[in-house]
Amino acid sequence: AQTVTQSQPEMSVQEAETVTLSCTYDTSENNYYLFWYKQPPSRQMILVIRQEAYKQQNATENRFSVNFQKAAKSFSLKISDSQLGDTAMYFCAFMNPFVRGAQKLVFGQGTRLTINP
Amino acid sequence: DAGVIQSPRHEVTEMGQEVTLRCKPISGHDYLFWYRQTMMRGLELLIYFNNNVPIDDSGMPEDRFSAKMPNASFSTLKIQPSEPRDSAVYFCASSLLLGASAAYNEQFFGPGTRLTVL
Repeated sequence: AQTVTQSQPEMSVQEAETVTLSCTYDTSENNYYLFWYKQPPSRQMILVIRQEAYKQQNATENRFSVNFQKAAKSFSLKISDSQLGDTAMYFCAFMNPFVRGAQKLVFGQGTRLTINP
Repeated sequence: DAGVIQSPRHEVTEMGQEVTLRCKPISGHDYLFWYRQTMMRGLELLIYFNNNVPIDDSGMPEDRFSAKMPNASFSTLKIQPSEPRDSAVYFCASSLLLGASAAYNEQFFGPGTRLTVL
């Protein structure tokens, strides 16, 4: 079974700084997807960014980018020019959409990120 | 599109009572997922459906939990009888198509139902 580990329960940075959230995962599969979801105090789950394992290029979405190291099974999220609205819980998640019965998100424990003014 | 709709948003009930949570997925989506979020266990899948058929229910805690999807636009998660340890936020999510291009693999989450069992 796949597992996802986020080793940083909490992080805090000043507005406009850059912050990196860590995520490692364990799988024996070769094709899969990785995601970062954001959960603000409203508790709504919002997709931040996704990465296909077969792509070597790291995904980017505006101020958000990932460092995907497939051999190391590492998938970190970098937030540049952090904003107050980035304050939220961030969850790393794994999914294998290609195998029936495995098409579920497996989440890490989450990292609570606070952006201070 | 209104997104995934869940009702109720909040539910407070007493131990032993039956609880029914409801979900309307995004129109046209083929997959529906039920997740539970607790402090102790984090976010975990309970069950998911493809074209109204349950595919994986291994996350359903015990026989007190049951889920149905009678049609493409409606699903229920029922707990009978409820217990205090069932207190959690229950999320419903839907997805268009899995295993195809990346754009189809996003799971869209509803706002969740916060369940409190006293």
